[in-house]
Amino acid sequence: GQNIDQPTEMTATEGAIVQINCTYQTSGFNGLFWYQQHAGEAPTFLSYNVLDGLEEKGRFSSFLSRSKGYSYLLLKELQMKDSASYLCAVKNDYKLSFGAGTTVTVRA
Amino acid sequence: DTGVSQDPRHKITKRGQNVTFRCDPISEHNRLYWYRQTLGQGPEFLTYFQNEAQLEKSRLLSDRFSAERPKGSFSTLEIQRTEQGDSAMYLCASSDRSYNEQFFGPGTRLTVL
Repeated sequence: GQNIDQPTEMTATEGAIVQINCTYQTSGFNGLFWYQQHAGEAPTFLSYNVLDGLEEKGRFSSFLSRSKGYSYLLLKELQMKDSASYLCAVKNDYKLSFGAGTTVTVRA
Repeated sequence: DTGVSQDPRHKITKRGQNVTFRCDPISEHNRLYWYRQTLGQGPEFLTYFQNEAQLEKSRLLSDRFSAERPKGSFSTLEIQRTEQGDSAMYLCASSDRSYNEQFFGPGTRLTVL
């Protein structure tokens, strides 16, 4: 089975840093994805980790520890447009299994 | 725009009616996926095509659901005898065999009254 946990909600101030944690227990693992989803819209790709360590992409970074079944997404220099749901997804062969998503609210 | 497209974007139907949704993947992508997302949840996998072959169907996909990808290009998802519990966002995604990333379409929001 697949069990992917992430916090339901987080609030942060514009310009700040927020870290969204994701823990997973899955029957297979071929990589971990982070997607951003604004209300009523499709998920859009943010990052992908298949090996342990940190991947940096502009204001967004993602970390993976396969031995711990743990990942985090780091959002730096928060902007109002970053208010969205952030989805952690584990890839098993070709299939993605998603967590329920973390709603991030950025306050002015 | 060469992204994944879905049609219609919104569908309201009465319980018991049949509905059909269409997905057009990115043209060079041979893999196509259907997911369903309800409010406050992440997308749940429904089915997967590699070219025209349907390689996996989730247990979520009851006998009332059928998906096709007749020529390995666009795909359709049909729901027969809709129920209120079918109300959700139906998302289509595609990927190329050389990439891990799945590109999602804008989704079809189904409301069953």
